[in-house]
Amino acid sequence: QSALTQPPSASGSPGQSVTISCTGTSSDVGGYNYVSWYQHHPGKAPKLMIYEVSKRPSGVPDRFSGSKSGNTASLTVSGLQAEDEADYYCSSYAGNNNLVFGGGTKLTVL
Amino acid sequence: QVQLQESGPGLVKPSGTLSLTCAVSGGSISSSNWWSWVRQPPRKGLEWIGEVYHSGSTNYNPSLKGRVTMSVDKSKNQFSLKLSSVTAADTAVYYCARSVSGWGLDNWGQGTLVTVSS
Repeated sequence: QSALTQPPSASGSPGQSVTISCTGTSSDVGGYNYVSWYQHHPGKAPKLMIYEVSKRPSGVPDRFSGSKSGNTASLTVSGLQAEDEADYYCSSYAGNNNLVFGGGTKLTVL
Repeated sequence: QVQLQESGPGLVKPSGTLSLTCAVSGGSISSSNWWSWVRQPPRKGLEWIGEVYHSGSTNYNPSLKGRVTMSVDKSKNQFSLKLSSVTAADTAVYYCARSVSGWGLDNWGQGTLVTVSS
């Protein structure tokens, strides 16, 4: 299966909002409401930020939100803060008990 | 809070078998969760390897099927990964993680680097 498509990079100034896209197909993103987003600071463990498209685990700030339209899911980070600078990965259930990740987006806080 | 810790050799020879273990603390491996392995090759993105349930049921990434074996040791509260016939392309940081509702992975280990080299 192919990895989900994410932009390699995204950026924004402190306080601004930025949206990262994650494009798949009707066999993964478009076919199930099982999209997750992870924040990954290099050298550390990835952190689950969003699951089931738009749900936030306990402890994740509400500045992070998720949505989906058709075959594209999106992660929006509002009120950007310096500590939000990290790599972000999406994942989606792809049927047949299989999970696929996106290629990752490096978010830079200017 | 569940904590996971990977362990295993950091260097494996080409054509050999990579073996890693993930110790689970702060919770039971027999809970209603699946347990996953994910890897990240140098300068690349994340790749799901597969998952195992405490019953021994498994699901594997089709691209790795045939080379992957996962198992659970309930007496030690840990689960394991074996990847056979490794090549340099299998060099990566390997993470273990807990799967939750909707195929999210909510608890991850710190990761362990495995290098395939002679």
